[in-house]
Amino acid sequence: EPEVTQTPSHQVTQMGQEVILRCVPISNHLYFYWYRQILGQKVEFLVSFYNNEISEKSEIFDDQFSVERPDGSNFTLKIRSTKLEDSAMYFCASRRQGYTEAFFGQGTRLTVV
Amino acid sequence: AQKITQTQPGMFVQEKEAVTLDCTYDTSDPSYGLFWYKQPSSGEMIFLIYQGSYDQQNATEGRYSLNFQKARKSANLVISASQLGDSAMYFCAMREGLWGAQKLVFGQGTRLTINP
Repeated sequence: EPEVTQTPSHQVTQMGQEVILRCVPISNHLYFYWYRQILGQKVEFLVSFYNNEISEKSEIFDDQFSVERPDGSNFTLKIRSTKLEDSAMYFCASRRQGYTEAFFGQGTRLTVV
Repeated sequence: AQKITQTQPGMFVQEKEAVTLDCTYDTSDPSYGLFWYKQPSSGEMIFLIYQGSYDQQNATEGRYSLNFQKARKSANLVISASQLGDSAMYFCAMREGLWGAQKLVFGQGTRLTINP
């Protein structure tokens, strides 16, 4: 069964460093999302992406964040200068056009020290 | 105002019993979808069940059913014959609008523990 794949599963980075979180959505899906979950809290929306552009972004998704679909298969989230409060689980999700269900990847746990 | 409210931070249930996890929502959009996801301790988000605002019948998926009461704006998840493997965090979520790129909005979650 096809699935959303995220790499790495866990990343530790120094405060102020840039990180890139990678996602390979399911191949025939057209809507892509990033969510994050701070430990013990609810899942929060960051950004949605469709037709090679951002559809919607939340207040969290400030100038330090960017997304890119560099080729036909990858979908990346970049954080330019990480802060301690960026420590969270980051989930990528994708959805097929005409379908309601979004499939989530297994998440990347980002720890900023 | 919260769009999704889960009022039970934690629930403890005996194995084989049925359990109901509460979820209420708030929207003025006539087209919306309601979702339940399971998050085990390993962290992944597993889709369980979906209910569309125009669906006439309550959704069912195996041991999971969704008690959809539109007038009360509630979408409770019912798990029948609970198993030890059902112990996890459960999130209710809503999408306003059904077919575009609209995001999911999640509730705070309910931690379910199944006791042997």
